[in-house]
Amino acid sequence: EDQVTQSPEALRLQEGESSSLNCSYTVSGLRGLFWYRQDPGKGPEFLFTLYSAGEEKEKERLKATLTKKESFLHITAPKPEDSATYLCAVREAGDYKLSFGAGTTVTVRA
Amino acid sequence: DTAVSQTPKYLVTQMGNDKSIKCEQNLGHDTMYWYKQDSKKFLKIMFSYNNKELIINETVPNRFSPKSPDKAHLNLHINSLELGDSAVYFCASSQAAGGPDNEQFFGPGTRLTVL
Repeated sequence: EDQVTQSPEALRLQEGESSSLNCSYTVSGLRGLFWYRQDPGKGPEFLFTLYSAGEEKEKERLKATLTKKESFLHITAPKPEDSATYLCAVREAGDYKLSFGAGTTVTVRA
Repeated sequence: DTAVSQTPKYLVTQMGNDKSIKCEQNLGHDTMYWYKQDSKKFLKIMFSYNNKELIINETVPNRFSPKSPDKAHLNLHINSLELGDSAVYFCASSQAAGGPDNEQFFGPGTRLTVL
């Protein structure tokens, strides 16, 4: 069963056009929700960890939020360098592993 | 200074061969992981070692065997390679396996192509 579902699969934005990515999850006890960025031909790069509903974290033009069922990654006024695949992963209580979603590929046009 | 490094970056081989991928981390982390990323970009955990002890062993063929000579190194041996093994393999490390700070740091990946 899929524990993590990301939408949309792909997102094309104009530079400066803000948008949000969704990550919905189904785990019995969340021990952490993680956001990563992956550029083509490279390994995932850690962005944020969120632990409890209501928590928010920001980094430059990115802001991650968490509810009891989903997380959003908001991209404010994106630039072409924000183009990447954004991956969401969850760690369930009592488990060591991260379960990843399939990712959202964001393309920002100048 | 590369935090998590993998060798080789590219590996092209024939079906039936045996190959190894090496991983090293210089972050002082206790836990290391192997992931497989298929053509659809889906990243799936294979194995994890914590201080040289195997703690995650997902359902992968027995042809795959991890080996951790020390906590800074985790190698992946693959016997009798098959076409379906073609993928990108990522190594990762984290400070601890079960603690609250489980951010995993990934290597650059090894693209394996089986012909």
